[in-house]
Amino acid sequence: KQEVTQIPAALSVPEGENLVLNCSFTDSAIYNLQWFRQDPGKGLTSLLLIQSSQREQTSGRLNASLDKSSGRSTLYIAASQPGDSATYLCAVPDPGGATNKLIFGTGTLLAVQP
Amino acid sequence: DTGVSQDPRHKITKRGQNVTFRCDPISEHNRLYWYRQTLGQGPEFLTYFQNEAQLEKSRLLSDRFSAERPKGSFSTLEIQRTEQGDSAMYLCASRPTGANYGYTFGSGTRLTVV
Repeated sequence: KQEVTQIPAALSVPEGENLVLNCSFTDSAIYNLQWFRQDPGKGLTSLLLIQSSQREQTSGRLNASLDKSSGRSTLYIAASQPGDSATYLCAVPDPGGATNKLIFGTGTLLAVQP
Repeated sequence: DTGVSQDPRHKITKRGQNVTFRCDPISEHNRLYWYRQTLGQGPEFLTYFQNEAQLEKSRLLSDRFSAERPKGSFSTLEIQRTEQGDSAMYLCASRPTGANYGYTFGSGTRLTVV
């Protein structure tokens, strides 16, 4: 059964710092991995989708890496801003079925202090 | 294309009442998913539709829950005889067929059962 873990559960940094969020998964037979952002009381906004054949994916100040064999992904945020404060979730499709339903971690709650 | 739409955004109901939520996916997406998210947790899979066919239901989906997707377009999720434990964020997502596509989520419906 696929399990997804995110470390740390919460992180507080001063504005301008670079930071790394970690995601690990137990079953490496994944098609892709998706990082999402969730603001309080809101839905999920997709940040990056990284395919199993890719090592990295970049969007602006965000960079996601994927090491499928070790079951790990990182989300790197450069030059953090207060507007980056949110919960960050990683998710992988369940490799055990045909539905590709997503299995989520519990998220990292990020606070960027001005 | 306005993304995935969910209605209502918030619903407060008394215990024992029935509630219905609606999801309008991205029009060309034939796959639709419902998830439930409680405070501090990642979203958990509830059910999946491919076109109008409901192909998978989670054990979380008790017999008080029913979902439909008539004609493969919008979907509804109904909860009968609501309980306080049903209080959660209900999220809808859609994606095209193909393992390499990511998910697009709606803004969610926040249900509070009092």
